Amino acid sequence: DAGVTQSPTHLIKTRGQQVTLRCSPKSGHDTVSWYQQALGQGPQFIFQYYEEEERQRGNFPDRFSGHQFPNYSSELNVNALLLGDSALYLCASSLAQPGLAVGTDTQYFGPGTRLTVL
Amino acid sequence: AQSVAQPEDQVNVAEGNPLTVKCTYSVSGNPYLFWYVQYPNRGLQFLLKYITGDNLVKGSYGFEAEFNKSQTSFHLKKPSALVSDSALYFCAVRDGGATNKLIFGTGTLLAVQP
Repeated sequence: DAGVTQSPTHLIKTRGQQVTLRCSPKSGHDTVSWYQQALGQGPQFIFQYYEEEERQRGNFPDRFSGHQFPNYSSELNVNALLLGDSALYLCASSLAQPGLAVGTDTQYFGPGTRLTVL
Repeated sequence: AQSVAQPEDQVNVAEGNPLTVKCTYSVSGNPYLFWYVQYPNRGLQFLLKYITGDNLVKGSYGFEAEFNKSQTSFHLKKPSALVSDSALYFCAVRDGGATNKLIFGTGTLLAVQP
């Protein structure tokens, strides 16, 4: 059973450039969330996608955008990169389970993409 | 707003000794609490969660956590530490609302000495 996969593993960009990160969820999962983990910090929620729509968004500027495809995979796009965008970007997948309270499902994380902005 | 606090940046323990990594929470409504572990340059691995029921939750790799409602705590424990348990541990709480968005603590580095 394949877990959550992310690509690329590492990426180096310069300020002002744009970047696209990719995520494939764990088999059978339909919900994808993205988190940013700055060095020495806990992960911060960026946004979540379900049924190809953004369902919730954290406190991140519009430079951060995403997409979910019909096969549940997802992309995170960041425009006009800043030095402060350097971080580990984590994708997490989960399966919404009918009949259970929202939030009881477990999020499984991928290995992350390390983005360095110079 | 929901939040979790991990009061210790680092916990040191000798191999074979019991370990505890502390977490306290602040929530409105029912707390859904999670523990994850992160090894260097890796993503987060799920250890265990508390949703409801028994206050002692058993998880992966011999870890367990004790939910204490009166003290608003959810401490991670293991009876006998291994050197391979050395890693960064995160406590998280579900944020509420219509999704399963997680709010993470700042993490506790566990160092197990041989």
